[in-house]
Amino acid sequence: GAGVSQSPSNKVTEKGKDVELRCDPISGHTALYWYRQRLGQGLEFLIYFQGNSAPDKSGLPSDRFSAERTGESVSTLTIQRTQQEDSAVYLCASSLSQGQIDTQYFGPGTRLTVL
Amino acid sequence: LAKTTQPISMDSYEGQEVNITCSHNNIATNDYITWYQQFPSQGPRFIIQGYKTKVTNEVASLFIPADRKSSTLSLPRVSLSDTAVYYCLVFSSYKLIFGSGTRLLVRP
Repeated sequence: GAGVSQSPSNKVTEKGKDVELRCDPISGHTALYWYRQRLGQGLEFLIYFQGNSAPDKSGLPSDRFSAERTGESVSTLTIQRTQQEDSAVYLCASSLSQGQIDTQYFGPGTRLTVL
Repeated sequence: LAKTTQPISMDSYEGQEVNITCSHNNIATNDYITWYQQFPSQGPRFIIQGYKTKVTNEVASLFIPADRKSSTLSLPRVSLSDTAVYYCLVFSSYKLIFGSGTRLLVRP
């Protein structure tokens, strides 16, 4: 079956511009997560959705970052006024629910480069 | 949230068994131990998860001692395609906390 998909796969932008990153989770998965991975490092948790509500936004690094989710489907991560330190791979994952034993399935990521 | 510590890198040869040990001294009673694998330019992929003793699936085994302060991922008979970064995580509710992982290099 279809896995988690993300678009675009690569995004190059200029400092100060806004970007939108999209995630399409696995159908039927109620939980959705965004992570950031800088080069050579592990993943940083950004935000978690259960349905279309976001009970945990604690990982968003600044108020330039926001995310929304439509129902139990697509999610968009928006970065306003991008900075060079925002350059990273942004990964989305989904799971059936948010229980301990529910495996998170990751998409391929969006590689963001801010010039 | 419990922090995990694992070796930065490991080398092995094709056909060998590889054991990667992870320590998680502050693991909480309800936490599970989860391992993910990540290839370059891909998202992490779930390998195995356990709570105590031993768990085995078609890919790997996970050994967890009684005190649960450490765990060992065992990959039987590795191949070149097992070259990847392996992350040990303590799963606290929904939030996966990733460390830097162990870079495994499998040589011919």
